[in-house]
Amino acid sequence: QVQLQESGPGLVKPLQTLSLTCTVSGGSISSGDYFWSWIRQPPGKGLEWIGNIYYRGSIYYNPSLKSRVTISVDTSKNQFSLKVSSVTAADTAVYYCARGEAATGTNWFDPWGQGTLVTVSS
Amino acid sequence: SYKLTQPPSVSVSPGQTASITCSGDKLGDKYASWYQQKPGQSPVLVIYQDTKRPSGIPERFSGSNSGNTATLTISGTQAMDEADYFCQAWDSSTLVVFGGGTKLTVL
Repeated sequence: QVQLQESGPGLVKPLQTLSLTCTVSGGSISSGDYFWSWIRQPPGKGLEWIGNIYYRGSIYYNPSLKSRVTISVDTSKNQFSLKVSSVTAADTAVYYCARGEAATGTNWFDPWGQGTLVTVSS
Repeated sequence: SYKLTQPPSVSVSPGQTASITCSGDKLGDKYASWYQQKPGQSPVLVIYQDTKRPSGIPERFSGSNSGNTATLTISGTQAMDEADYFCQAWDSSTLVVFGGGTKLTVL
């Protein structure tokens, strides 16, 4: 079955850019049935959706993060990526990638990667 | 922006029924999904489209959604069900929104 694995630096300095990659195995990222997402969770807190990307290029961002976030896909590597610019301590979180599925008026996320903790600190 | 509200905590005795609510404006006109997250683990989808269970999720997990409230029900709750539970919905303005989460304690 499909598995997702996040990778990237665990420590980022304030005001720099956070960059993460999610590698998809056991299935093709080019499957039109799904989209690919980033979701984060600050330590001890709830889940915050960051954005979705469809392999054909449609991208949707959380309005509250849109100005600082870029999501892209590399179908040749079966990967998708996240960049968050001008990070602050408030961006410290476990970052998850997930596969999304949609139907009329709804979407859901399954499965999720194991998550990677990114700490913003000098 | 659209918001979903969950109680911070719910307690249940083993073998009893646990109900976790998720409230939002006219949530019944939308669809709700539910995720289970155990300590140190990633969230796992347990209910989608209000009532559907993914393969591998026990039948004791069920969902409903009406009015302003979606409910996740766990029948015959087991110790292994102790976890945080998050609801999630799609909204045309906010797109994806999660509830704040509910800690289910089985005692």
